[in-house]
Parts: sequence; structure tokens; C-alpha cells
Amino acid sequence: QVHLVESGGGLVKPGGSLRLSCAAFGFTFSDYYMSWIRQAPGKGLEPVAYISGSSRYRSYADSVRGRFTISRDNARNSVFLQMNSLSADDTSVYYCVKDIAVGSLGAFDSWGQGTLVTVSS
Amino acid sequence: EIVLTQSPATLSLFPGERATLSCRASQSVSRYLAWYQQKPGQVPRLLIYDTSNRATGIPARFSGSGSGTDFTLTISSLEPEDFAVYYCQQRSNWLTFGGGTKVEI
Repeated sequence: QVHLVESGGGLVKPGGSLRLSCAAFGFTFSDYYMSWIRQAPGKGLEPVAYISGSSRYRSYADSVRGRFTISRDNARNSVFLQMNSLSADDTSVYYCVKDIAVGSLGAFDSWGQGTLVTVSS
Repeated sequence: EIVLTQSPATLSLFPGERATLSCRASQSVSRYLAWYQQKPGQVPRLLIYDTSNRATGIPARFSGSGSGTDFTLTISSLEPEDFAVYYCQQRSNWLTFGGGTKVEI
């Protein structure tokens, strides 16, 4: 059974940094693209970044490019999101998500419970 | 960036009625369109991927159709647990979500 567990969220001051982690269970982790999706309080869903199974392909939303870095460790079945230069606009619940299909990016069939990142002085 | 516009923003219906939700893309996304359901305080759940394929465990009352720029999610007969917010999402060019349609009683 697929299970995704995020950690690392919390309260951080503007300009600060935070590193999110997501531990994956129940599937062959290295076969799948993994992504981070965020949702600001009371708002809709916003893709943040994705990474291919081999880490060869990575891509970022314009709003975070240059500040956030996605990475993964297939030996530890984990994906990470390093977030720098945080601003109030980054305040959201951050979800770790798994793609539905091996080797492709498309639709997200498994979601973690999310970790809340609050950027405030 | 491909913009997805969902309509209506809110759909007020009764249990047993048919719900038709629309998602329009600013340019063609081929058939790379998915639908999600999100209830208050819960994580989004994948309903439909690649326009018309139901995800595992999704009841047959949910169906998707369309291609190119115009897509529809249909709930044939609303159950009480179907009242939620629904999002469409494309994967043709980067990833984007629509703004959501709230289905309420």
C-alpha cells in the first residue's frame, strides 16, 4: 500500500530557509516521477516542482525557480524540497505526490497528508 | 503557461441530480487532463486521468470526456459524499490546475 509521509514544515521568517522531506513506502520508488504541490490556506492547488525517477529531469514553477531545489535519494526512498529566500507568498500546505504511471509525469494518484509551511515575522 | 478555467465556480444541486463540470484550456492539452476531488480538511483524490480513465476505486458514476481545449467531468447521480471541490489539471505543458468548482447542496 502506497504511503507518503512529509516532514520539515514549520514557521520560518521571511528570507529564511526550510527543507521538506517525503518518505515513500509501498512501491518501487525509483520508477516514478515525484512532485511537490502546494495549497495556500483557502486557495487552490499549485504545482511547485517535479523530478524524474533517475533525477535526470527536474522542473519548477516560475514562482519558485531559483529559490527552491527538488532532489531525491532512491536508496532512502525519499524526495526533498530545499526552499530558500522564503516569503509570505510561500505560506502553504506542501504535498508530496506520486505519479500514477511508471516513468511518466501526468496525474497524481497518491498524496501525502501535507506539511504546513508558514512564513511570517 | 496553459491556463485552465473551470466553470461554474459553484454548482448547487441535490442528491440524485446529475452534475456537469467544465474545464477549458487556453491551448490544446490533447487528452492530458485529470480531475481531482477535495473535501474540506482532506487531501485531494484523483478521480479521472487522461480525460476519461477512472482511477482505482472510483465509482462508475464519475466519468470524463473531451479533448483539445474542452473537457467535462460528469457525476451521473450525486451521492451525499460527492459534495466537494473539484479541480482539473493538465500535464501537456508543465503542470497547471484549474481554480476549482465547488459542488454544494
